[in-house]
Amino acid sequence: EPEVTQTPSHQVTQMGQEVILRCVPISNHLYFYWYRQILGQKVEFLVSFYNNEISEKSEIFDDQFSVERPDGSNFTLKIRSTKLEDSAMYFCASGKTGVSYEQYFGPGTRLTVT
Amino acid sequence: DAKTTQPNSMESNEEEPVHLPCNHSTISGTDYIHWYRQLPSQGPEYVIHGLTSNVNNRMASLAIAEDRKSSTLILHRATLRDAAVYYCILRKTNAGKSTFGDGTTLTVKP
Repeated sequence: EPEVTQTPSHQVTQMGQEVILRCVPISNHLYFYWYRQILGQKVEFLVSFYNNEISEKSEIFDDQFSVERPDGSNFTLKIRSTKLEDSAMYFCASGKTGVSYEQYFGPGTRLTVT
Repeated sequence: DAKTTQPNSMESNEEEPVHLPCNHSTISGTDYIHWYRQLPSQGPEYVIHGLTSNVNNRMASLAIAEDRKSSTLILHRATLRDAAVYYCILRKTNAGKSTFGDGTTLTVKP
């Protein structure tokens, strides 16, 4: 069964450093998303991406964040200058076209900012 | 955005049916009812979704009230692997974002 994959599974970085989290969505999906979950808290929406542009973003997704689909398979989330409060699990998700199809989530990348 | 209300926690015995309720009294006509679950240390996993009619798939059944103001996720025979946080989410058409609440933590006892 096709699945969303994410790399790395765990990333440790120092405050102020740039990080890139990588995702490979399911191949025939056209909608892509990033969510995050701070330890013990809710899953929070960050951004959705369709047709090579951001379709929606949350207040969390400020100028420090960017997303890109650099080729036909990868979908990346970049944090330019990490802060301690960016420590969280980051989940990528993808979905088909059509009316309210389900989202498929990856296993997540645990980001630890020290 | 319309809001959902779920009990914080529920318990079930293994191999018994589980009915997980969700209230969404302010649901609009364009909202689909989605259920996801999150097993410990994993990403959310799609379970089922519907609009007006009851739905069945290999994982669960979804019963939707006639006025659509509530729904119930039914796991027909709970297993230990079903212990997870279950989220009831309203999503607009055309693949909008999912807004996760606190969900219901399901504990399955052997």
